[in-house]
Amino acid sequence: AQTVTQSQPEMSVQEAETVTLSCTYDTSESDYYLFWYKQPPSRQMILVIRQEAYKQQNATENRFSVNFQKAAKSFSLKISDSQLGDAAMYFCAYRSLGQGAQKLVFGQGTRLTINP
Amino acid sequence: EAGVTQFPSHSVIEKGQTVTLRCDPISGHDNLYWYRRVMGKEIKFLLHFVKESKQDESGMPNNRFLAERTGGTYSTLKVQPAELEDSGVYFCASSHPSRDRRRNEQYFGPGTRLTVT
Repeated sequence: AQTVTQSQPEMSVQEAETVTLSCTYDTSESDYYLFWYKQPPSRQMILVIRQEAYKQQNATENRFSVNFQKAAKSFSLKISDSQLGDAAMYFCAYRSLGQGAQKLVFGQGTRLTINP
Repeated sequence: EAGVTQFPSHSVIEKGQTVTLRCDPISGHDNLYWYRRVMGKEIKFLLHFVKESKQDESGMPNNRFLAERTGGTYSTLKVQPAELEDSGVYFCASSHPSRDRRRNEQYFGPGTRLTVT
């Protein structure tokens, strides 16, 4: 079974600085999806960025980018120019592409605080 | 377009009582998922519906949990009888049917916080 580990329960960063959230995973599959989700306080979880394992190029969405190291099974999220609105719980997730397998496997989450 | 909605947002019940959580997916989304986060741990998958059929219920913890999706629209998750360890946040998500499984992005609801005392 696949597992996802986020080793940083909490992180903080100064506004406008850059922060990197760590995520590692374990799988025997060669093709899969990886995601970062964001859950602001008292609001629903939204997708921040996704990465397809067969793509070597790291995904980027505006100020959010990932460092995908397939061999090391590492999938970190970099947030550049941090803004107060980035404060949230961040969850790393894995999804298999096997037949019928659509469930997401989540990490424990990292609570990100932005200091003004 | 309305997002995934869940009701209630918060429920406090006593051990041994019954609670029913409801999820309304995005219109047209055949796939509906239930997840829960217990005691600040990782979010765990409970089950997956495709329309009214249970595609994968491997995450259901025990027979005190019953999920239904009559008519393939909204879904309910009943916990009977509730135990202290059932406390947590229950999330619902939905995704659009697509032959390309890569495109099945899941959209989440705000969650229902269940407290069992």
